[in-house]
Formats: sequence, structure tokens, C-alpha cells
Amino acid sequence: GDSVTQMEGPVTLSEEAFLTINCTYTATGYPSLFWYVQYPGEGLQLLLKATKADDKGSNKGFEATYRKETTSFHLEKGSVQVSDSAVYFCALTSLAGNQFYFGTGTSLTVIP
Amino acid sequence: GAGVSQSPSNKVTEKGKDVELRCDPISGHTALYWYRQSLGQGLEFLIYFQGNSAPDKSGLPSDRFSAERTGGSVSTLTIQRTQQEDSAVYLCASSFLGGGSSYEQYFGPGTRLTVT
Repeated sequence: GDSVTQMEGPVTLSEEAFLTINCTYTATGYPSLFWYVQYPGEGLQLLLKATKADDKGSNKGFEATYRKETTSFHLEKGSVQVSDSAVYFCALTSLAGNQFYFGTGTSLTVIP
Repeated sequence: GAGVSQSPSNKVTEKGKDVELRCDPISGHTALYWYRQSLGQGLEFLIYFQGNSAPDKSGLPSDRFSAERTGGSVSTLTIQRTQQEDSAVYLCASSFLGGGSSYEQYFGPGTRLTVT
């Protein structure tokens, strides 16, 4: 069945460091891919998405490219800030949208 | 516009009692999902409603858990005879599964359930 495998944390970076959080998936066909973020004490928010191969989702300086050849959707940011400290979840949805699969989440802490 | 809302935000209950958790999805969203997030864990899918179709209950952990969605809108998740392992944050999400949708889900703030 469909699934998402996400890099385990926790990850601790200094401010302005480069961030990569790996995400790979297994799915039938061409699912939509998402990154969600959960800030401390808050609910999940959509960070970015990509709906077809080679699409690049971007938001708040974060980017992720839908790579069908490597079945990956890695999250990157060139220069992290303390305010980026949160838990990041990779997710995919089935073609019909009725199944949503989340990774286990990666906790990021950015220190000044 | 208004997002997904959930109530209560926090619920403390004694073991063995029943609890009801409420979710108000975004107006016009056809799909509604319930998840459970235990401390330090990822999201565990519980149940999915889409329009008037029969719900997908494949994620419910036991027959103590049930959910309904009235009028295609508000949903209630009920946990009977609560156990301490039911303690978690229960998240509700809604989505529009129509033409052109990319199916992203919009999450509510969650209900933190503590069973003592």
C-alpha cells in the first residue's frame, strides 16, 4: 500500500544553517505530496504542496520538488531561523483523495 | 473565512467514562477526517467521511470508538469507557474532494484528551 518514510529526528541546527529533511514515498500512480508543519502548541498547517512530477512547492523560504524517478519529496531551506523550530510532516494523498498518509514527523530545533 | 474548529480544546476524564469530541469543518468541504496524535508520535488515521458515502472506519482502534457526521457537516467522535491509553490529541481535518482539488487537508487545533 501507499506509505511515506520520513527522516527521523530530532534535528538541531544553528540559525542560518541549511536544512534538508528527507521524505520518500511509495504509491500507486501520481499522488499529491505535501509538507505540513506543527509549531509548538498549535495545529498542523499546510506548508507546501506539489501535485505532479517535477512540480516544486515553495513557501516561507522552504522548497520541495516532486521527484518521481527517486520517489522523493525532500524539504529544504537555505537559511533557517529560530522561528522555524517545529515538527515537520511529509504526507501524500491517494488519487481519489480518500486516503492520506503521514510520515512520523521530524522535530527541528533552531538555536541562535 | 473560518477554519476547522474543534471542541473542547482540552478534556480531562476519568477512566471508564464516555467522551464526545466535536468537529466543525470548513463550510463546503466534502470530506472530514479524524486522527489521533499521541505524545511524540505521528498521526494515526481513525476515520474518514466523504459526502453521503459510508465512512471509512478502518483506522478505529477498537469498538469503543465511533463517529458520526450529521448533515454532511459537523462530526462527533465518541469514545466509550475511556482507557488511559486513549490519552492523546485528537485532530480533525476537512478537505474539498471536487474537480481540480489537490486534496490538501485543513486541520483544526485539536482536542487534548487526558484520561486519569
